Amino acid sequence: SQTIHQWPATLVQPVGSPLSLECTVEGTSNPNLYWYRQAAGRGLQLLFYSVGIGQISSEVPQNLSASRPQDRQFILSSKKLLLSDSGFYLCAWNWARTPWNEQFFGPGTRLTVL
Amino acid sequence: SQQGEEDPQALSIQEGENATMNCSYKTSINNLQWYRQNSGRGLVHLILIRSNEREKHSGRLRVTLDTSKKSSSLLITASRAADTASYFCATGTKSSGDKLTFGTGTRLAVRP
Repeated sequence: SQTIHQWPATLVQPVGSPLSLECTVEGTSNPNLYWYRQAAGRGLQLLFYSVGIGQISSEVPQNLSASRPQDRQFILSSKKLLLSDSGFYLCAWNWARTPWNEQFFGPGTRLTVL
Repeated sequence: SQQGEEDPQALSIQEGENATMNCSYKTSINNLQWYRQNSGRGLVHLILIRSNEREKHSGRLRVTLDTSKKSSSLLITASRAADTASYFCATGTKSSGDKLTFGTGTRLAVRP
């Protein structure tokens, strides 16, 4: 069976510090991978998605970047965090080449920037 | 604006009652999905309905889709306290590829 991991679960960082959130998927190969951000009490905003190693699409201009160094690893980064980067970050995957199928979500990382 | 917008934003019902949530969207879709999110957790997929389907059932869940009105509803019958969560609709379109667009969600509270 497939599982998706995210870490850390919770993170408190000062403004201007760097960020690295990691997401890994087990039990499948060549998944589509997604990073979402969820503001408190709000819906999900798609930040990045990837259809393969080194292939990253950015959905919104922002202070963040994403990388996919391995097939089942997706990393969200920032060089200098802003207050507005606070939120709940969710990683998700789904089967590649099967359009519009369900997405499977990780447990999320709650980021607070102070 | 959101491709999917849920209505109501919040709903409080007594255990045993039915809960109905609605989702409206703006552009033509290939499919519409409903997800559930417990507080502080990731989302869990509940049900997917394709654009050529009108109704789908899964246990106590019933989803309808009206493409002429660009709307969908999620009905949870005989609600339980454990159904307390936020519920999101998400749409997939031909132009969006594998991406989904999520609505803003309905917060459901079921009182025991």
